[in-house]
Amino acid sequence: RKEVEQDPGPFNVPEGATVAFNCTYSNSASQSFFWYRQDCRKEPKLLMSVYSSGNEDGRFTAQLNRASQYISLLIRDSKLSDSATYLCVVKWGNTGKLIFGQGTTLQVKP
Amino acid sequence: EAGVVQSPRYKIIEKKQPVAFWCNPISGHNTLYWYLQNLGQGPELLIRYENEEAVDDSQLPKDRFSAERLKGVDSTLKIQPAELGDSAVYLCASSSQRGSDTQYFGPGTRLTVL
Repeated sequence: RKEVEQDPGPFNVPEGATVAFNCTYSNSASQSFFWYRQDCRKEPKLLMSVYSSGNEDGRFTAQLNRASQYISLLIRDSKLSDSATYLCVVKWGNTGKLIFGQGTTLQVKP
Repeated sequence: EAGVVQSPRYKIIEKKQPVAFWCNPISGHNTLYWYLQNLGQGPELLIRYENEEAVDDSQLPKDRFSAERLKGVDSTLKIQPAELGDSAVYLCASSSQRGSDTQYFGPGTRLTVL
């Protein structure tokens, strides 16, 4: 089993749609969780951290379920500019080591 | 503030040749990471430095890969000799302190081994 697993997609959605990405992780001792965004042929950039209570940043909502070892990212009112690969990232302990999922590709179409 | 700088951006070599990548982290960032990213996959950590000390190199293939960060600032990753399977993007990242949640990535070096 991979340490961090994501559905690679691609997810093809029309503008304005709501789309959700899921991610599972294998290490129950993991402490911190993130979503990074990676545009085609660009470097990954932090999109948002994921907190136990759930958190929202504009059209983006991240949620964590520690019992199920599951993370989600919800994007509402999708824009063309949201087209990218979304990487689920888990930090192992307090070492600073980040484990990346393979990414989920989103393509928003007009 | 300048971001993480990497060079070259692209490199094409023949198998069995050596190759080196250079990274300059964000000023003041003590922690530096080298990642490898294959097509369709997420980045995988090769080595992590805290200042000049390599604190996690468990995923670095030491038979052909080496890295250094002599003065605790910029870093070089070398492959000698390169193999076809080494074709990938090599990403450098830095963070401000040990255990910092946010890592800032450079644009990467895209290596093609022929």
